[in-house]
Amino acid sequence: DIVMTQSPDSLPVSLGERATINCKSSQTVLHTSNDKNYLAWYQQKPGQPPKLLISWASTRESGVPDRFSGSGSGTDFTLTISSLQAEDVAVYYCQQYFSAPQSFGQGTKLEIK
Amino acid sequence: QVQLQESGPRLVKPSETLSLTCTVSGYSINSGYYWGWIRQPPGKGLEWIASIYHSGSTYYNPSLKSRVTLSVDTSKNQVSLKLSSVTAADTAMYYCARGPYYGTSYFDYWGQGTLVTVSS
Repeated sequence: DIVMTQSPDSLPVSLGERATINCKSSQTVLHTSNDKNYLAWYQQKPGQPPKLLISWASTRESGVPDRFSGSGSGTDFTLTISSLQAEDVAVYYCQQYFSAPQSFGQGTKLEIK
Repeated sequence: QVQLQESGPRLVKPSETLSLTCTVSGYSINSGYYWGWIRQPPGKGLEWIASIYHSGSTYYNPSLKSRVTLSVDTSKNQVSLKLSSVTAADTAMYYCARGPYYGTSYFDYWGQGTLVTVSS
Protein backbone atom coordinates (compact mmCIF):
# COMPACT_ATOMS: atom_id res chain seq x y z
CA ASP A 1 0.00 0.00 0.00
CA ILE A 2 1.15 3.55 -0.69
CA VAL A 3 1.57 5.67 2.42
CA MET A 4 1.07 9.41 2.09
CA THR A 5 2.90 11.67 4.53
CA GLN A 6 2.20 15.38 4.79
CA SER A 7 4.29 18.08 6.39
CA PRO A 8 3.92 20.03 8.48
CA ASP A 9 1.01 18.80 10.59
CA SER A 10 0.16 22.39 11.47
CA LEU A 11 1.04 25.56 9.60
CA PRO A 12 0.54 29.09 10.94
CA VAL A 13 0.74 31.71 8.20
CA SER A 14 0.03 35.43 8.21
CA LEU A 15 -2.72 36.83 6.01
CA GLY A 16 -1.38 37.69 2.60
CA GLU A 17 1.65 35.46 2.98
CA ARG A 18 2.48 32.27 1.08
CA ALA A 19 1.53 28.88 2.50
CA THR A 20 3.29 25.72 1.39
CA ILE A 21 2.13 22.21 2.26
CA ASN A 22 4.16 19.15 1.35
CA CYS A 23 3.04 15.64 0.55
CA LYS A 24 5.31 12.66 0.07
CA SER A 25 4.27 9.23 -1.18
CA SER A 26 6.06 6.02 -0.22
CA GLN A 27 6.07 4.96 -3.89
CA THR A 28 5.88 6.86 -7.11
CA VAL A 29 2.41 7.95 -8.24
CA LEU A 30 3.65 8.91 -11.70
CA HIS A 31 2.20 6.67 -14.38
CA THR A 32 4.83 6.41 -17.10
CA SER A 33 2.31 5.37 -19.76
CA ASN A 34 0.60 8.77 -19.71
CA ASP A 35 3.09 10.87 -17.75
CA LYS A 36 0.43 11.78 -15.21
CA ASN A 37 0.79 12.02 -11.45
CA TYR A 38 -2.19 10.42 -9.72
CA LEU A 39 -2.30 12.94 -6.88
CA ALA A 40 -5.17 15.11 -5.63
CA TRP A 41 -5.50 17.85 -3.02
CA TYR A 42 -8.57 18.57 -0.89
CA GLN A 43 -9.60 21.34 1.47
CA GLN A 44 -11.79 20.54 4.46
CA LYS A 45 -13.33 23.28 6.57
CA PRO A 46 -14.86 22.53 9.98
CA GLY A 47 -18.17 20.71 9.72
CA GLN A 48 -17.88 20.31 5.96
CA PRO A 49 -16.91 17.46 3.64
CA PRO A 50 -13.60 17.64 1.78
CA LYS A 51 -13.60 19.77 -1.34
CA LEU A 52 -11.52 18.78 -4.34
CA LEU A 53 -9.06 21.54 -5.20
CA ILE A 54 -6.55 19.91 -7.53
CA SER A 55 -6.30 16.67 -9.46
CA TRP A 56 -3.43 15.18 -11.49
CA ALA A 57 -1.07 17.01 -9.10
CA SER A 58 -1.53 20.39 -10.76
CA THR A 59 -4.94 20.69 -12.46
CA ARG A 60 -7.11 23.13 -10.56
CA GLU A 61 -10.82 22.36 -10.36
CA SER A 62 -13.27 24.80 -11.88
CA GLY A 63 -14.05 27.63 -9.47
CA VAL A 64 -10.96 27.15 -7.32
CA PRO A 65 -9.12 30.47 -6.91
CA ASP A 66 -5.87 30.72 -8.81
CA ARG A 67 -3.96 31.45 -5.61
CA PHE A 68 -4.07 27.66 -5.13
CA SER A 69 -1.51 25.72 -7.14
CA GLY A 70 -0.12 22.21 -7.09
CA SER A 71 3.29 21.01 -8.18
CA GLY A 72 5.65 18.08 -7.96
CA SER A 73 6.13 14.69 -9.55
CA GLY A 74 6.90 11.12 -8.64
CA THR A 75 6.90 11.02 -4.87
CA ASP A 76 7.11 14.67 -3.78
CA PHE A 77 4.31 17.17 -4.13
CA THR A 78 3.44 20.65 -2.92
CA LEU A 79 0.26 22.64 -2.51
CA THR A 80 0.91 26.37 -2.50
CA ILE A 81 -1.45 29.16 -1.55
CA SER A 82 0.19 32.28 -2.92
CA SER A 83 -1.51 34.81 -0.66
CA LEU A 84 -3.39 33.45 2.32
CA GLN A 85 -6.95 34.63 2.80
CA ALA A 86 -9.00 34.20 5.97
CA GLU A 87 -11.34 31.78 4.20
CA ASP A 88 -8.43 29.43 3.45
CA VAL A 89 -8.24 28.31 7.08
CA ALA A 90 -8.88 24.58 6.84
CA VAL A 91 -7.29 21.17 6.92
CA TYR A 92 -5.70 20.13 3.64
CA TYR A 93 -5.30 16.54 2.50
CA CYS A 94 -3.41 14.95 -0.34
CA GLN A 95 -4.62 11.68 -1.89
CA GLN A 96 -3.00 9.19 -4.22
CA TYR A 97 -5.17 7.33 -6.70
CA PHE A 98 -2.31 5.58 -8.47
CA SER A 99 -2.94 2.22 -6.90
CA ALA A 100 -5.42 0.49 -4.66
CA PRO A 101 -6.17 1.08 -1.94
CA GLN A 102 -6.26 4.79 -2.70
CA SER A 103 -4.99 6.62 0.34
CA PHE A 104 -4.88 10.04 1.96
CA GLY A 105 -2.27 11.95 3.88
CA GLN A 106 -2.88 12.64 7.56
CA GLY A 107 -3.80 16.27 6.89
CA THR A 108 -2.20 19.67 7.45
CA LYS A 109 -4.04 22.21 9.54
CA LEU A 110 -3.59 25.68 8.09
CA GLU A 111 -4.22 28.54 10.48
CA ILE A 112 -3.73 32.28 10.71
CA LYS A 113 -0.63 33.48 12.50
CA GLN B 1 -25.80 20.30 -9.85
CA VAL B 2 -24.79 16.91 -8.51
CA GLN B 3 -25.82 16.34 -4.91
CA LEU B 4 -25.25 13.38 -2.64
CA GLN B 5 -27.06 12.73 0.63
CA GLU B 6 -26.17 10.03 3.12
CA SER B 7 -28.82 8.56 5.39
CA GLY B 8 -29.13 5.80 7.93
CA PRO B 9 -29.03 5.05 11.66
CA ARG B 10 -26.74 7.31 13.66
CA LEU B 11 -26.24 4.81 16.46
CA VAL B 12 -25.26 1.19 15.97
CA LYS B 13 -24.55 -1.41 18.64
CA PRO B 14 -21.24 -3.27 18.72
CA SER B 15 -21.21 -6.49 16.65
CA GLU B 16 -24.19 -5.31 14.59
CA THR B 17 -24.28 -4.13 10.98
CA LEU B 18 -24.00 -0.51 9.95
CA SER B 19 -26.23 0.32 6.97
CA LEU B 20 -26.11 3.58 5.06
CA THR B 21 -27.67 4.83 1.84
CA CYS B 22 -26.42 7.53 -0.47
CA THR B 23 -29.09 9.19 -2.61
CA VAL B 24 -27.79 10.97 -5.68
CA SER B 25 -29.65 13.84 -7.29
CA GLY B 26 -28.83 15.95 -10.31
CA TYR B 27 -27.10 13.03 -12.01
CA SER B 28 -28.18 9.57 -13.07
CA ILE B 29 -26.03 6.80 -11.64
CA ASN B 30 -26.68 4.92 -14.90
CA SER B 31 -24.79 7.59 -16.81
CA GLY B 32 -21.46 6.41 -15.46
CA TYR B 33 -18.90 7.40 -12.87
CA TYR B 34 -18.31 5.37 -9.80
CA TRP B 35 -19.49 5.95 -6.26
CA GLY B 36 -17.30 5.67 -3.24
CA TRP B 37 -17.59 5.60 0.51
CA ILE B 38 -14.98 7.32 2.65
CA ARG B 39 -14.96 7.61 6.42
CA GLN B 40 -13.35 9.94 8.92
CA PRO B 41 -13.12 9.13 12.64
CA PRO B 42 -13.69 12.17 14.85
CA GLY B 43 -10.66 14.45 14.70
CA LYS B 44 -8.79 12.12 12.36
CA GLY B 45 -8.00 11.63 8.69
CA LEU B 46 -9.78 10.09 5.73
CA GLU B 47 -10.02 6.40 4.88
CA TRP B 48 -11.42 5.05 1.63
CA ILE B 49 -13.79 2.14 2.28
CA ALA B 50 -15.03 0.93 -1.09
CA SER B 51 -16.40 1.99 -4.46
CA ILE B 52 -19.03 0.69 -6.84
CA TYR B 53 -19.72 1.26 -10.52
CA HIS B 54 -23.24 1.69 -11.89
CA SER B 55 -22.97 -1.80 -13.34
CA GLY B 56 -22.46 -3.19 -9.85
CA SER B 57 -18.74 -3.82 -10.11
CA THR B 58 -17.15 -3.23 -6.74
CA TYR B 59 -13.74 -2.30 -5.41
CA TYR B 60 -12.93 -2.71 -1.72
CA ASN B 61 -10.22 -1.56 0.65
CA PRO B 62 -8.54 -4.84 1.63
CA SER B 63 -8.45 -3.76 5.27
CA LEU B 64 -12.26 -3.73 5.38
CA LYS B 65 -13.20 -6.05 2.54
CA SER B 66 -14.32 -8.95 4.72
CA ARG B 67 -16.92 -6.77 6.43
CA VAL B 68 -18.13 -4.50 3.63
CA THR B 69 -20.91 -4.94 1.10
CA LEU B 70 -21.84 -2.32 -1.49
CA SER B 71 -24.88 -2.30 -3.70
CA VAL B 72 -26.49 0.03 -6.22
CA ASP B 73 -30.17 0.65 -6.96
CA THR B 74 -30.33 2.51 -10.23
CA SER B 75 -34.13 2.81 -10.07
CA LYS B 76 -33.80 4.87 -6.90
CA ASN B 77 -30.46 6.44 -7.88
CA GLN B 78 -28.97 5.14 -4.66
CA VAL B 79 -25.83 3.43 -3.47
CA SER B 80 -25.77 1.50 -0.21
CA LEU B 81 -23.07 0.48 2.25
CA LYS B 82 -23.21 -2.29 4.80
CA LEU B 83 -20.42 -2.78 7.34
CA SER B 84 -20.77 -5.81 9.55
CA SER B 85 -19.46 -6.70 13.01
CA VAL B 86 -18.85 -3.09 13.95
CA THR B 87 -16.77 -1.98 16.92
CA ALA B 88 -16.08 1.40 18.50
CA ALA B 89 -13.26 1.80 15.97
CA ASP B 90 -15.91 2.12 13.26
CA THR B 91 -17.30 5.29 14.82
CA ALA B 92 -16.82 7.92 12.15
CA MET B 93 -18.32 10.40 9.75
CA TYR B 94 -19.26 8.42 6.67
CA TYR B 95 -19.20 10.20 3.32
CA CYS B 96 -20.32 9.09 -0.09
CA ALA B 97 -18.59 10.67 -3.04
CA ARG B 98 -18.37 10.50 -6.82
CA GLY B 99 -15.27 9.35 -8.60
CA PRO B 100 -14.71 9.94 -12.33
CA TYR B 101 -12.63 6.82 -12.79
CA TYR B 102 -13.17 3.15 -12.15
CA GLY B 103 -10.89 1.48 -9.66
CA THR B 104 -8.91 4.29 -8.13
CA SER B 105 -9.94 7.89 -8.49
CA TYR B 106 -10.10 11.27 -6.90
CA PHE B 107 -13.55 12.34 -5.70
CA ASP B 108 -15.14 15.44 -7.19
CA TYR B 109 -18.51 15.55 -5.42
CA TRP B 110 -19.11 14.66 -1.78
CA GLY B 111 -22.14 14.33 0.44
CA GLN B 112 -22.32 16.22 3.71
CA GLY B 113 -21.65 13.02 5.57
CA THR B 114 -23.41 11.25 8.40
CA LEU B 115 -21.87 10.59 11.80
CA VAL B 116 -22.30 7.02 12.94
CA THR B 117 -21.53 6.12 16.53
CA VAL B 118 -20.95 2.55 17.60
CA SER B 119 -21.99 2.15 21.21
CA SER B 120 -24.14 -0.06 23.36
